[in-house]
Amino acid sequence: GDSVTQMEGPVTLSEEAFLTINCTYTATGYPSLFWYVQYPGEGLQLLLKATKADDKGSNKGFEATYRKETTSFHLEKGSVQVSDSAVYFCALSDRSGGYNKLIFGAGTRLAVHP
Amino acid sequence: DAMVIQNPRYQVTQFGKPVTLSCSQTLNHNVMYWYQQKSSQAPKLLFHYYDKDFNNEADTPDNFQSRRPNTSFCFLDIRSPGLGDAAMYLCATSRVAGGTNEQFFGPGTRLTVL
Repeated sequence: GDSVTQMEGPVTLSEEAFLTINCTYTATGYPSLFWYVQYPGEGLQLLLKATKADDKGSNKGFEATYRKETTSFHLEKGSVQVSDSAVYFCALSDRSGGYNKLIFGAGTRLAVHP
Repeated sequence: DAMVIQNPRYQVTQFGKPVTLSCSQTLNHNVMYWYQQKSSQAPKLLFHYYDKDFNNEADTPDNFQSRRPNTSFCFLDIRSPGLGDAAMYLCATSRVAGGTNEQFFGPGTRLTVL
């Protein structure tokens, strides 16, 4: 079945460092890909998305490119801030039976220190 | 703003005492989902409603039930909560036709079982 694998955390960085969180997927169809962020004690917020190969999603300085050839959707940010500390989930959605089932990776915790 | 609302944000119940969590949406989306998220884990889909059609995940315990009286509201009933049911419960919605398969999440209800 479909699955998402993301790098294990925690990832600990200093403020203004470069961030990469790796995500790869396995899917039989042509899924949409997402990054969700979860701040402590809160629900999930959509960070960015991409719906087809070579699409680049971007938001709040974060970027990810849908790479079909490597089945990857790595999250990057050029300069992280303390406020970016959160758990990041990579997910895919493959429309099955008319609804959108999300399959999540295990999540990667990011801690940014001043 | 259109959104997904969950009440209460924090719920405490006793072992074996039935509890109901509620979710409402102003997005007029066809599909509503309930997820269970335990500490440091990815959200796990329990079930979803596609309009009035209920769809249970194969591994969701019978202890968990759901009701959707109208488009806007969906309830999660836990008939006899056990200590292992303590978790964050997330409600999400999505549109079926068109769009990018994106799900919109509420802030979650954190359930404590004493």
